[in-house]
Amino acid sequence: GAGVSQSPSNKVTEKGKDVELRCDPISGHTALYWYRQSLGQGLEFLIYFQGNSAPDKSGLPSDRFSAERTGGSVSTLTIQRTQQEDSAVYLCASSSLAGQDTQYFGPGTRLTVL
Amino acid sequence: AQKITQTQPGMFVQEKEAVTLDCTYDTSDPSYGLFWYKQPSSGEMIFLIYQGSYDQQNATEGRYSLNFQKARKSANLVISASQLGDSAMYFCAMREGRGANNLFFGTGTRLTVIP
Repeated sequence: GAGVSQSPSNKVTEKGKDVELRCDPISGHTALYWYRQSLGQGLEFLIYFQGNSAPDKSGLPSDRFSAERTGGSVSTLTIQRTQQEDSAVYLCASSSLAGQDTQYFGPGTRLTVL
Repeated sequence: AQKITQTQPGMFVQEKEAVTLDCTYDTSDPSYGLFWYKQPSSGEMIFLIYQGSYDQQNATEGRYSLNFQKARKSANLVISASQLGDSAMYFCAMREGRGANNLFFGTGTRLTVIP
């Protein structure tokens, strides 16, 4: 398929463990976004990548959260020392032009921290 | 203040009828974009329709239209001829300013289409 893909689709982990979530954007899209959706809530912006520019990390809730994007394509969101309040659906989106184009979302990763 | 407000937690509509989902926004930037996304139970956010702040006409995409009232800062989504497959969560979102990096989302409206 040509859409945004994310893996894993579901992740259950124990409190205190580290997790890595992966996003593969639409081919050719230069902008990539991570959002978090807690139960019954709208989406909360986490971080944004555009090409080789420094990422906009203004939405990351704590220093336990980090993300990288290798080769301008695939991105990994890492949560260290997970807490129960980190349980949410993590959604990735990509767009062809930063800030000027529609964001297309992946299916998300549902993270459950026990 | 909330950037995006959706005041209808849940809505019901009879199949084949039209329904309006409300959205109001708050920004002082003259340049912004408004989006509607559909989120079925599968979880994926599906883009439906976009309205730019400088667009003179209301956006339309098939059965979806956006009732854009700039002075009232509202951007209601109208779904015509509702189908059972329209049952989902619907989110209104705003990109504020040129070159903005992220979208602000409302809390969503759960639409249920009744056969």
